[in-house]
Amino acid sequence: NAGVMQNPRHLVRRRGQEARLRCSPMKGHSHVYWYRQLPEEGLKFMVYLQKENIIDESGMPKERFSAEFPKEGPSILRIQQVVRGDSAAYFCASSPRTERETQYFGPGTRLLVL
Amino acid sequence: SQQGEEDPQALSIQEGENATMNCSYKTSINNLQWYRQNSGRGLVHLILIRSNEREKHSGRLRVTLDTSKKSSSLLITASRAADTASYFCATVITGGTSYGKLTFGQGTILTVHP
Repeated sequence: NAGVMQNPRHLVRRRGQEARLRCSPMKGHSHVYWYRQLPEEGLKFMVYLQKENIIDESGMPKERFSAEFPKEGPSILRIQQVVRGDSAAYFCASSPRTERETQYFGPGTRLLVL
Repeated sequence: SQQGEEDPQALSIQEGENATMNCSYKTSINNLQWYRQNSGRGLVHLILIRSNEREKHSGRLRVTLDTSKKSSSLLITASRAADTASYFCATVITGGTSYGKLTFGQGTILTVHP
């Protein structure tokens, strides 16, 4: 049973470009969470999704950031018009519907904005 | 200050010694979890303790929870060089808008010297 998969593992973008980060949850997991980790800091919650639904996006910046978890395919975190401050590690986690307490984390995508 | 603060920020010990890390939080919680993060990697779930539990063991790990003081400690006994990592506590807040949303502390960087 493969773990949570994220791609790309590293992403370099210039200011103003778009960044798309993908997350495939563990098989059978229907809950996906995105977290952001700035250098030397802990993880900060961004958004919680179930299939085709955004449950809690209280940690998402109001502009430029969006997330989706379609019926088919991976969850996508999209950052439009990236700025240098978006440089961070973005982690995805998933959990099964029946046991949401424990989240299984992917290896992360490290975004560098030049 | 924020929900989930660990101390010390950094801890350096010799192999074979015990390592103790502490975590304090501010609001009522449903459960508290500890995660490990190796440099440049994703997070690995170590142990979960519920608000009605006071102590929990898993292998060389011992976690305590004091809800009256809103604090938790993680003890790693007989440490090994492979335990070198950052350790984070994370809480699930009671009555939060979405169950399962984790709030992380800043982490403790543990270095175990061979």
